[in-house]
Amino acid sequence: QKEVEQNSGPLSVPEGAIASLNCTYSDRGSQSFFWYRQYSGKSPELIMFIYSNGDKEDGRFTAQLNKASQYVSLLIRDSQPSDSATYLCAGGGSARQLTFGSGTQLTVLP
Amino acid sequence: DGGITQSPKYLFRKEGQNVTLSCEQNLNHDAMYWYRQDPGQGLRLIYYSQIVNDFQKGDIAEGYSVSREKKESFPLTVTSAQKNPTAFYLCASSMWDRGYNEQFFGPGTRLTVL
Repeated sequence: QKEVEQNSGPLSVPEGAIASLNCTYSDRGSQSFFWYRQYSGKSPELIMFIYSNGDKEDGRFTAQLNKASQYVSLLIRDSQPSDSATYLCAGGGSARQLTFGSGTQLTVLP
Repeated sequence: DGGITQSPKYLFRKEGQNVTLSCEQNLNHDAMYWYRQDPGQGLRLIYYSQIVNDFQKGDIAEGYSVSREKKESFPLTVTSAQKNPTAFYLCASSMWDRGYNEQFFGPGTRLTVL
């Protein structure tokens, strides 16, 4: 059974702080990882993807992947109230299907 | 504008009825997917299709059916055999020849059983 686990949350951070979202996965065959942001009542929006070990930065977002530890994280720097949403982690393997975690709800407090 | 459209946005079903959810994409993506999301949960895969006239069951296919007669369209039918269909249904698409499977989602259909 392929599983993707996310820290349960909810997570609250003050405006301007760094939000850290974590995800572990059980399938060592997973090759690619995706972070989606989902606002309440809306569909998921792809914000980051990472395939290689290490860090990948895009603006205020940094994705980190450690395949040896089967661990993926998303850091949001200078958090804004508009970042308040549920963040979904997903892993993909050779079958090209994605397995989603249950999501972490983030609230950024003004 | 390129994108994925789903209709209707809201759908109400009576007990014993079959209903069909529409999904259309103009991104020229090869693969299309249907997911179900229940409150406070992640997405679960119902069906997916890599090419026209071919599709595979996902993790929770029972009570659902699909067709893929055109590359752009992947409708989902929720049959009366699906005992608990109230959920948020999401359609997604991606390129298939790329190994990394970045999926993009439509706006979703919220189905409620009356």
